[in-house]
Amino acid sequence: DAGITQSPRHKVTETGTPVTLRCHQTENHRYMYWYRQDPGHGLRLIHYSYGVKDTDKGEVSDGYSVSRSKTEDFLLTLESATSSQTSVYFCAISDQGRQAYSYEQYFGPGTRLTVT
Amino acid sequence: SQKIEQNSEALNIQEGKTATLTCNYTNYSPAYLQWYRQDPGRGPVFLLLIRENEKEKRKERLKVTFDTTLKQSLFHITASQPADSATYLCALDMDSSYKLIFGSGTRLLVRP
Repeated sequence: DAGITQSPRHKVTETGTPVTLRCHQTENHRYMYWYRQDPGHGLRLIHYSYGVKDTDKGEVSDGYSVSRSKTEDFLLTLESATSSQTSVYFCAISDQGRQAYSYEQYFGPGTRLTVT
Repeated sequence: SQKIEQNSEALNIQEGKTATLTCNYTNYSPAYLQWYRQDPGRGPVFLLLIRENEKEKRKERLKVTFDTTLKQSLFHITASQPADSATYLCALDMDSSYKLIFGSGTRLLVRP
């Protein structure tokens, strides 16, 4: 988890409210990702970023938006939270590193979100 | 669409034995495959990466094989220890990019 923090770590919110989760990195890595993890589904990519203001959708992007105004911060917003968005959310970072094709990802500690 | 399968049943083995976990994939030819470890309540931790032109990779007690014909990777932990108990995830690249698709993981329990 070194170099990657997520906030908040836990949140309970009501259906229909907007929620923003923050991922902060101190590694100066180019790529940042948001995943959700649910029992039986593993990690699923929501959105990712390949640079400041450069973002793209993952496989489960509906109901989520992201922003990246600085290299170190990647925000995930649930525009109107629903119970189906109750999950554990992980942020990850990656970079090409010293060797070409170093695609490993480094994960934050996660945010447990409950939508009631 | 791309699909990754890992045994959803937990693997329960005796300390000192070799644990072997399987990752199968379909409808895809990845450029590389990765293995991660995840402990309860924590984020996954990268362990090993193996490229499509590599048959085997080792790191200390860990060994990964990659058979692109069978579309399968095997992950071995030799001389297993109770501290190796965790969930192990495999992941494939999407379209040779920086995006990954993950399997749902296999839980390993090493009994003392």
